[in-house]
Amino acid sequence: EAAVTQSPRNKVTVTGGNVTLSCRQTNSHNYMYWYRQDTGHGLRLIHYSYGAGNLQIGDVPDGYKATRTTQEDFFLLLELASPSQTSLYFCASSGGVRAEQFFGPGTRLTVL
Amino acid sequence: SQLAEENSWALSVHEGESVTVNCSYKTSITALQWYRQKSGKGPAQLILIRSNEREKRNGRLRATLDTSSQSSSLSITATRCEDTAVYFCATDASSGSWQLIFGSGTQLTVMP
Repeated sequence: EAAVTQSPRNKVTVTGGNVTLSCRQTNSHNYMYWYRQDTGHGLRLIHYSYGAGNLQIGDVPDGYKATRTTQEDFFLLLELASPSQTSLYFCASSGGVRAEQFFGPGTRLTVL
Repeated sequence: SQLAEENSWALSVHEGESVTVNCSYKTSITALQWYRQKSGKGPAQLILIRSNEREKRNGRLRATLDTSSQSSSLSITATRCEDTAVYFCATDASSGSWQLIFGSGTQLTVMP
């Protein structure tokens, strides 16, 4: 079965702090995604990638960087965290465009 | 802008009853996906229905797609308490960006 893991599961930081969220998939999928989930907004795409070294901008990229170091690993970086980035973050992977996406368990980030 | 949107914020039924979640979307699509998210978990796909399909079944789940009215429904029969979750529809656009756009979700509560 497809497996996507995320770490940490919970993170608290202060305004202006640096945060790195990690995601690893063992599905051999080319595509990986970072979403944020907020009440009333559903899932919104931040960044995605279709392979190691590739990065594409999603719908809400401001304040976020991402890096895909290998086919398995995708990182989301918040270099100057702000309270507006308090959210639940999900990583997902898929085998192709428009295909089923497999989600990780999520990381709850709080920026004080 | 929201490509897809569920038509109810919340629904509640008693165990054993049937329930339908509706979704409307705004553009031509290649497929529509239904996802379920249980509390504390990431979303998981239930059904993918392509634009040339009118109905798709998966056990107690039945999805319909009406491309003329740009709407879809997900019906669950013989509901169980474990069906309690948020249900999302997600669509892609048949032209332009292929990324999935998720609706805000419908919270379904199945009561004993």
